Amino acid sequence: AQKITQTQPGMFVQEKEAVTLDCTYDTSDQSYGLFWYKQPSSGEMIFLIYQGSYDEQNATEGRYSLNFQKARKSANLVISASQLGDSAMYFCAMKNYGQNFVFGPGTRLSVLP
Amino acid sequence: KAGVTQTPRYLIKTRGQQVTLSCSPISGHRSVSWYQQTPGQGLQFLFEYFSETQRNKGNFPGRFSGRQFSNSRSEMNVSTLELGDSALYLCASSLELRQGKLETQYFGPGTRLLVL
Repeated sequence: AQKITQTQPGMFVQEKEAVTLDCTYDTSDQSYGLFWYKQPSSGEMIFLIYQGSYDEQNATEGRYSLNFQKARKSANLVISASQLGDSAMYFCAMKNYGQNFVFGPGTRLSVLP
Repeated sequence: KAGVTQTPRYLIKTRGQQVTLSCSPISGHRSVSWYQQTPGQGLQFLFEYFSETQRNKGNFPGRFSGRQFSNSRSEMNVSTLELGDSALYLCASSLELRQGKLETQYFGPGTRLLVL
C-alpha cells in the first residue's frame, strides 16, 4: 500500500532563509506523481509543485523546488527566501495510476521575523 | 477560470441530523474527490467520483455517501451525524482528460462542520 511519511511535525525558519521539508514515500509502482500542498490557517489546500516519477529534472516553481531522490524514495520540498506568509501546514502527497491521492501527516512551518 | 467552490462554508448541526455538502469543480474537470480533515486523524480520503461513477472509496461507514451529477458537480451526504463527524470537509477536482492519468488536484475552501 502507498504511504507518505513526514517526520517533522513542526519546523521554524528565520525570514529570508531557506528551509527543507522532508517527505519519504513507499510504493511498489514505477509510475506515480508526487505533490506538495500548503494549507494556511484559512483551511484551503493550495497546490505548490508536482514531480512525476519519470521526470529526470527536479521540479521548480518560483521559490519552491522539489529535491527528488527516486532511489531513496524521498521528495523533499525546498522553500528559498522564506517569507512570513509561508507560515502554514505543508502536506506531501502521492498519486498512483487508478488510485486515490495519499497524503502525509503534514509539517507545520513557522517563519520567524 | 473559477476555482473549486464549496457550499456552505460553515455548518452547525446536532447529533442525529443529516447534512448535505456541495462541491462545484473547476470548469472542465471530471474527477471530484472528498476528504475529511480533523486534528487527530489528519486528511482522510472519503471517495472519488469520475463521470458520475464512484471510482474509489475510503474507509468510512455507510453513513457517508456521495454522488456526482452530469455537470461534474458533486454532493456528499452524512446521515445520523455523530460528534466525531465535526471536521473540515474538503473537495478537490482534477482534469483527467484520459481516465487514470496523473493530474494535479485542486482544492476548494472547505466546509467546516460542527456537530453539537
